[in-house]
Amino acid sequence: EPEVTQTPSHQVTQMGQEVILRCVPISNHLYFYWYRQILGQKVEFLVSFYNNEISEKSEIFDDQFSVERPDGSNFTLKIRSTKLEDSAMYFCASSEDANAGGYTFGSGTRLTVV
Amino acid sequence: GENVEQHPSTLSVQEGDSAVIKCTYSDSASNYFPWYKQELGKGPQLIIDIRSNVGEKKDQRIAVTLNKTAKHFSLHITETQPEDSAVYFCAARLSDKLIFGTGTRLQVFP
Repeated sequence: EPEVTQTPSHQVTQMGQEVILRCVPISNHLYFYWYRQILGQKVEFLVSFYNNEISEKSEIFDDQFSVERPDGSNFTLKIRSTKLEDSAMYFCASSEDANAGGYTFGSGTRLTVV
Repeated sequence: GENVEQHPSTLSVQEGDSAVIKCTYSDSASNYFPWYKQELGKGPQLIIDIRSNVGEKKDQRIAVTLNKTAKHFSLHITETQPEDSAVYFCAARLSDKLIFGTGTRLQVFP
């Protein structure tokens, strides 16, 4: 069964450093998403991306965050200057059609900011 | 914006019993309601979903019901097994994003 692949599985970084989280969505999917989950809390929407641009973003997705699809397969989330409160699991998801439902999530990257 | 509430936060059942998890949503424009199972250290996995033009959907031991008027939707698991133990999240889709509930930790005791 097709999967969304995320790397790395765990990233430890110092406060103020930049991090890039990587995702390879399912190949025929056109809609891409980043969500995050702070330990023990619910999954929160960060951003959606379609046709090489952001289609929607949440209040969490401030100027420190950016997304990019640098080539035909990767989808990245960059945090420019990490803060302690950025520590969370970050999940990438993709879907074939925004109206079809059926978002497939990756297994996540655990980001720890120290 | 959309707000999704989920109850209960924890649920313990004996193997073979049924489990019911309930969610409510606030925005009547939400049109798609998936349920996800999350095991420790893994990403959410879609287990069943329902669209706003359908009242009920069943897939083997799992069923979901939707009451659009009341803005309620529920997950029903029958004949629970220990491997059903996980955290379950409901979600509602509004425009291009999923709004998740706060999760239910289900424990099935053998």
